[in-house]
Amino acid sequence: AQSVTQLGSHVSVSEGALVLLRCNYSSSVPPYLFWYVQYPNQGLQLLLKYTSAATLVKGINGFEAEFKKSETSFHLTKPSAHMSDAAEYFCAVIGPESNYQLIWGAGTKLIIKP
Amino acid sequence: EAQVTQNPRYLITVTGKKLTVTCSQNMNHEYMSWYRQDPGLGLRQIYYSMNVEVTDKGDVPEGYKVSRKEKRNFPLILESPSPNQTSLYFCASSFYRKVTDTQYFGPGTRLTVL
Repeated sequence: AQSVTQLGSHVSVSEGALVLLRCNYSSSVPPYLFWYVQYPNQGLQLLLKYTSAATLVKGINGFEAEFKKSETSFHLTKPSAHMSDAAEYFCAVIGPESNYQLIWGAGTKLIIKP
Repeated sequence: EAQVTQNPRYLITVTGKKLTVTCSQNMNHEYMSWYRQDPGLGLRQIYYSMNVEVTDKGDVPEGYKVSRKEKRNFPLILESPSPNQTSLYFCASSFYRKVTDTQYFGPGTRLTVL
């Protein structure tokens, strides 16, 4: 069965530092992968998605993620953190093994230190 | 403005008192879904609907009912709420013509069952 693991329930970085949020998936066939962001007291919105085209995917607000099949990973990065990036980030996977329903990671709360 | 709306946003109720959380989308989406979000567990799907009169169970359907009589509306019904249904609930919708279609989320309903 497909599953998603996000390493670290909380990640803290200084403003201006690199952001790295980790996501690993388990699947016997390459799935489609998503990162969603949830700002405080709001619903989730799509940051970016991997749909088997380019392995390096660029999203909104300067975020990008790289699909690495050999590592079964889809880590989210941003070169320079901004205070407005403070939010919770969710990785999700969809594919035949989940009957084409989204399977979600537990989420990583990103804290930005001034 | 394209959006998913949920009502109410906050609800405190008592065990056993039937309640309905409404969800409506104005994007003519075929696919709608309900999730619950609990700390450390990410999002778990309760029910989903591929189109009018077509609904199916997600991962955690026990204690919930849904209906899809019109394309735009997908209410979530708790016939006899219990304290373990205290959670943050999200409705989402998408076209679902492709499995990679973006899901659009409502703002959430925070439910407390005493």
